[in-house]
Amino acid sequence: EVQLVESGGDLVQPGGSLRLSCAASGFTVSGYWMHWVRRVPGKGLVWIVSSNDDGRTIMHADSVKGRFTVARDNAKNTLYLQMNSLRVDDTAVYYCVREDCSGHCKKFDTWGQGTLVTVSS
Amino acid sequence: DIVMTQTPLSSPVTLGQPASISCRSSQSLVHSDGNTYLSWVQQRPGQPPRVLIYKISNRFSGVPDRFSGSGAGADFTLKISRVEAEDVGLYYCMQATHFPYTFGQGTKLEIK
Repeated sequence: EVQLVESGGDLVQPGGSLRLSCAASGFTVSGYWMHWVRRVPGKGLVWIVSSNDDGRTIMHADSVKGRFTVARDNAKNTLYLQMNSLRVDDTAVYYCVREDCSGHCKKFDTWGQGTLVTVSS
Repeated sequence: DIVMTQTPLSSPVTLGQPASISCRSSQSLVHSDGNTYLSWVQQRPGQPPRVLIYKISNRFSGVPDRFSGSGAGADFTLKISRVEAEDVGLYYCMQATHFPYTFGQGTKLEIK
């Protein structure tokens, strides 16, 4: 079964750092575009970063550019989101998302259950 | 950035009755490859999001056929032919034609 499991969410002070993990099972992350999407409490879904299948092309939303980065550990079949200089408005549930390209791309077929990041003093 | 505008933002519906959500983008979502990458995303209470429909009208495996998507260019619609209790939740349109990918504000579907 294809599955994504996020972890690493926590309460952190403004200006702090956090690393989220997204462990994949049932498929190999190295063959897929992967994305992070967040849901801000009381608001909607927001795309924040995408990484292509070999991890060399990374696209960021302006709101996180220069602060967040994504990395992969192929041996652990895991995607990471490194979040630095955290701000109160980064508070959200963070979802890891797989993009399937069989036949057609841009099919976001698998989402993790999410991990909560709270930025507060 | 492309702005996705959904209407209505709230939709009280009687069980068994149809529901419809509109989504308009601030510019055409036709990609240079000729495809239109417009998806519909459902988020039930307490659940992670899941994509129901991709490329305007293609249902993912396991999605009931009471859900259908239509539209073209910058104007899209999600229709539920007969609303069931399990359909309660938030619905978002999402464009993946242009970076940054963007979502609509969300439409809350609830039962009257």
